[in-house]
Amino acid sequence: GAVVSQHPSRVICKSGTSVKIECRSLDFQATTMFWYRQFPKQSLMLMATSNEGSKATYEQGVEKDKFLINHASLTLSTLTVTSAHPEDSSFYICSANRDRKLTEAFFGQGTRLTVV
Amino acid sequence: EDQVTQSPEALRLQEGESSSLNCSYTVSGLRGLFWYRQDPGKGPEFLFTLYSAGEEKEKERLKATLTKKESFLHITAPKPEDSATYLCAVDDRGSTLGRLYFGRGTQLTVWP
Repeated sequence: GAVVSQHPSRVICKSGTSVKIECRSLDFQATTMFWYRQFPKQSLMLMATSNEGSKATYEQGVEKDKFLINHASLTLSTLTVTSAHPEDSSFYICSANRDRKLTEAFFGQGTRLTVV
Repeated sequence: EDQVTQSPEALRLQEGESSSLNCSYTVSGLRGLFWYRQDPGKGPEFLFTLYSAGEEKEKERLKATLTKKESFLHITAPKPEDSATYLCAVDDRGSTLGRLYFGRGTQLTVWP
């Protein structure tokens, strides 16, 4: 099946610093990738849609200046959490669709972010 | 209002005890309904996609079915390794292709 790789799997950072998370589609090109956040025992909530070559589309309530998304190539999207605070601690997951016509999304392994 | 509601929130089964998980959904138009398995600290692992009412798919001990309002994930003779959280998600025709709306999941525990 399609493979989506996310890095790092875990990161601990100090409050006020920035953290970059990478999402790569390893065996296919993805013009669109999605970034989700998951709090303990909660559903995956979409944060933003990452579009190759254009600006990301953010969900209501998600600060675009805090969660910077860059989709510079057809196989890589990055999410940068800027000026992180403890409330940003969460599980961040990306997904990508292998085919523009198919709706099957494949997910990365997730990144556990802890801000201390 | 939640578009996807899963029940029960948690389910404990003895090994070999079959059961079903429910996913009810509300969409403007269904492009696809998905079942994923998620282990602690991991991303969701794709299980099934269902596209239209009446469709069924099977994989080992799992069988997914779909109606116009809900989907069931049937687990036959489960084993401890089936313990995980099972997530249901929908792709709504009114949204971007691939943008999924998730339920909160059913946490399944299978004990020997």
